[in-house]
Amino acid sequence: DIQMTQSPSSLSASLGDRVTITCQAGQDINTYLNWYQQKPGKAPNLLIYDAYNLETGVPLRFSGSGSGTNFTFTISSLQPDDIATYFCQQYEDFPYTFGQGTMLEIK
Amino acid sequence: QVQLVQSGAEVKKPGASVKVSCKASGFTLSTYYMHWVRQAPGQGLEWMGRINPGSGSANYAPKFQGSVSLTRDRSINTVYMELSRLRSDDTAMYYCARIYCSGDTCFHQFDLWGQGTLVLVSS
Repeated sequence: DIQMTQSPSSLSASLGDRVTITCQAGQDINTYLNWYQQKPGKAPNLLIYDAYNLETGVPLRFSGSGSGTNFTFTISSLQPDDIATYFCQQYEDFPYTFGQGTMLEIK
Repeated sequence: QVQLVQSGAEVKKPGASVKVSCKASGFTLSTYYMHWVRQAPGQGLEWMGRINPGSGSANYAPKFQGSVSLTRDRSINTVYMELSRLRSDDTAMYYCARIYCSGDTCFHQFDLWGQGTLVLVSS
């Protein structure tokens, strides 16, 4: 299985801050990476696909970058609605695997 | 309305089986692969397998090979996940999710999820 290592596991930031989450793959996965947001008690919601493509309807403050083994997810200006847990997910090979998640809270 | 609606919460004893349904509305299952992902309480996401509703063929994560069965009923636009020989560590929220795949065009992102079904395994 391809291991996905996400950091940090939790993050406290102020409204308006730039927030960055990283995801490292255990092997080269090209750009075969997605990012999801999960709010408490809800199913995950797709934000970024293929490493850097913004899903339709997702605010422009969210972005993704990277390729190979190192990826970054960024929120350019943290908003109250962004409080959630964020997961990366690789689809280079089966079984699909996810990062362990980053819980984001307001400072 | 485009949505995936899952069956309700289940409480099962160790060793039993559980079958969770996922009904698609507003779209045709045959243009998607349907996947199952689970999440233990306070934990991360774990991919279990997928089914091609058109052909009925399924692929499973090695961890779940032999204990999970994915099936579908095209007449009612529904897929099912059956997990057998339940253990306490199977207690989790189980999600179905879709990935578009039609003809030669397949995407690779889960763009729609069910609301989740809680399965509690307890003696």
